[in-house]
Amino acid sequence: DTGVSQDPRHKITKRGQNVTFRCDPISEHNRLYWYRQTLGQGPEFLTYFQNEAQLEKSRLLSDRFSAERPKGSFSTLEIQRTEQGDSAMYLCASSVTGATNEKLFFGSGTQLSVL
Amino acid sequence: DAKTTQPNSMESNEEEPVHLPCNHSTISGTDYIHWYRQLPSQGPEYVIHGLTSNVNNRMASLAIAEDRKSSTLILHRATLRDAAVYYCILRDWGGSSNTGKLIFGQGTTLQVKP
Repeated sequence: DTGVSQDPRHKITKRGQNVTFRCDPISEHNRLYWYRQTLGQGPEFLTYFQNEAQLEKSRLLSDRFSAERPKGSFSTLEIQRTEQGDSAMYLCASSVTGATNEKLFFGSGTQLSVL
Repeated sequence: DAKTTQPNSMESNEEEPVHLPCNHSTISGTDYIHWYRQLPSQGPEYVIHGLTSNVNNRMASLAIAEDRKSSTLILHRATLRDAAVYYCILRDWGGSSNTGKLIFGQGTTLQVKP
């Protein structure tokens, strides 16, 4: 069990460019979440997958954001036409059950800086 | 929005106990109380959770008030490695999927002094 892995750890891009982040959950975890965190704030929920199905998206997730989880394994989060306001830490988490005492395991995040 | 209220910051001395309070007055009868912490430059990590009874694990203890409207995370002997942001969380069962997703507030920043 190597934990939740996120790649890259850091990404610097210019405004208007597209970026893609990858998350590899703990194997056999069927739930996968994406969160975004800005400095001094707690993580904000973005979207959630159960296996390969994207079941919920936050109002925070504009049309420039898209997430996929093909085959219910790894997930990607793409941001098109990045803006400076997209600068944040993007966190991925996975879990194995949807029970009321579900425990999430987080990765170390991808830090995005949009110049 | 987060359904819990926590102090913004607390300080503790190393090797002393720390009591981190949390208010959750709108908690429902089936809501578990979850605690996560976030060390600098890392993602959040699970600490403990409970429903009604007090809970203990190797990291901490969770004391839950009888009316369940508040709880306290107890670190029995704080170490410098415990300096982190501690989040008290109730699941959010709203939204399109009835996910029960974790909604984080700003948490309590714990400073541990040597």
